[in-house]
Amino acid sequence: GQQLNQSPQSMFIQEGEDVSMNCTSSSIFNTWLWYKQDPGEGPVLLIALYKAGELTSNGRLTAQFGITRKDSFLNISASIPSDVGIYFCAGHQPPDNFGNEKLTFGTGTRLTIIP
Amino acid sequence: GAGVSQTPSNKVTEKGKYVELRCDPISGHTALYWYRQSLGQGPEFLIYFQGTGAADDSGLPNDRFFAVRPEGSVSTLKIQRTERGDSAVYLCASSLWGGHEQFFGPGTRLTVL
Repeated sequence: GQQLNQSPQSMFIQEGEDVSMNCTSSSIFNTWLWYKQDPGEGPVLLIALYKAGELTSNGRLTAQFGITRKDSFLNISASIPSDVGIYFCAGHQPPDNFGNEKLTFGTGTRLTIIP
Repeated sequence: GAGVSQTPSNKVTEKGKYVELRCDPISGHTALYWYRQSLGQGPEFLIYFQGTGAADDSGLPNDRFFAVRPEGSVSTLKIQRTERGDSAVYLCASSLWGGHEQFFGPGTRLTVL
């Protein structure tokens, strides 16, 4: 099935650094969601975006819904060890008439913190 | 409150066998989704229920896969004549009616030998 393109595929950073990752699609999306997945666990919702151009923060995390509706960005400031994991973008494509539709996921960005 | 729960957490079976995977959604969530995640990939949609009915089963790979939700709460994903290619983590998620935010369970890791 279709998967969104995420970049970078992996990141190796030092604790305290800021992180940026993005997600792109060839088609438009009505919503964008960002999830984090730890080994052996299910994805955990971090941030949800509902309108083009929207900028939303959750603690050290900030995400944006691209103005074209074909991309989204996630930034993490001042990274800490517990930020290690795989980050997935996901979204709902039109038609999304009822709010309950399948999510299309990205390929993931693996974040590693170098001691 | 309690999140989405899935049982078993791990299932090892032999090629050709039948398996059932169970999902308990968050109480009050009317929408329930099944996804499959292969190693190194993002989750891929299989099927979603609104209440008791399957509203979209377009992601089921073939007719060996079937899911039910008879009372609008617990759901069971059933796989007949399992194949080695069915090995993956099967994730369940739920959401409120009209809600865009899906909340995931820990998954069931299925290994077909």
